[in-house]
Amino acid sequence: SQQGEEDPQALSIQEGENATMNCSYKTSINNLQWYRQNSGRGLVHLILIRSNEREKHSGRLRVTLDTSKKSSSLLITASRAADTASYFCATVGGSNYKLTFGKGTLLTVNP
Amino acid sequence: EAGVAQSPRYKIIEKRQSVAFWCNPISGHATLYWYQQILGQGPKLLIQFQNNGVVDDSQLPKDRFSAERLKGVDSTLKIQPAKLEDSAVYLCASSFRRGGPDTQYFGPGTRLTVL
Repeated sequence: SQQGEEDPQALSIQEGENATMNCSYKTSINNLQWYRQNSGRGLVHLILIRSNEREKHSGRLRVTLDTSKKSSSLLITASRAADTASYFCATVGGSNYKLTFGKGTLLTVNP
Repeated sequence: EAGVAQSPRYKIIEKRQSVAFWCNPISGHATLYWYQQILGQGPKLLIQFQNNGVVDDSQLPKDRFSAERLKGVDSTLKIQPAKLEDSAVYLCASSFRRGGPDTQYFGPGTRLTVL
């Protein structure tokens, strides 16, 4: 079963613009992770935010987490054509820290 | 550092045939995972190994899927017999952790088409 639900399902922007993707989930988590997937590099881990953190930055990425609303957002600033990919949120919980993925957001950055 | 290796990259079989996938995790990683990713969806965990032992196989269709991890390193995932709905990308991942949350590193995947 899928825990995270990304929104929107697809997003198309121009190079240089910011892209925001949202993720909602249902049960309590240990942490939440964002992954990127494209045909060239497969599934790649981007950033992890723990349940006691509210915001985290990594380069052009900014992730927020609101555990009261069970939601997270991923912001990519100054997007590039190379950012074109599917982006997945994945929640981690349970005694074995199981990773559960959402269906993903397809981001297209037009040059 | 070498990444997670998988083979083959692509496989086409007829329904009711059998197929096997191989994974070599990153050296030193104790935990190994197999995921199934159907087109348009996120990866779904099939089985998780901690060294040689199975930690979670709750979503593995055990009537047709089997997996093993001999000597706590390489792993194979087998489907016998295959069904049309098994068409998907099978991803292998590994992580260092020995009992806590950790980053998973994914291989390139094997794209299976069942005709």
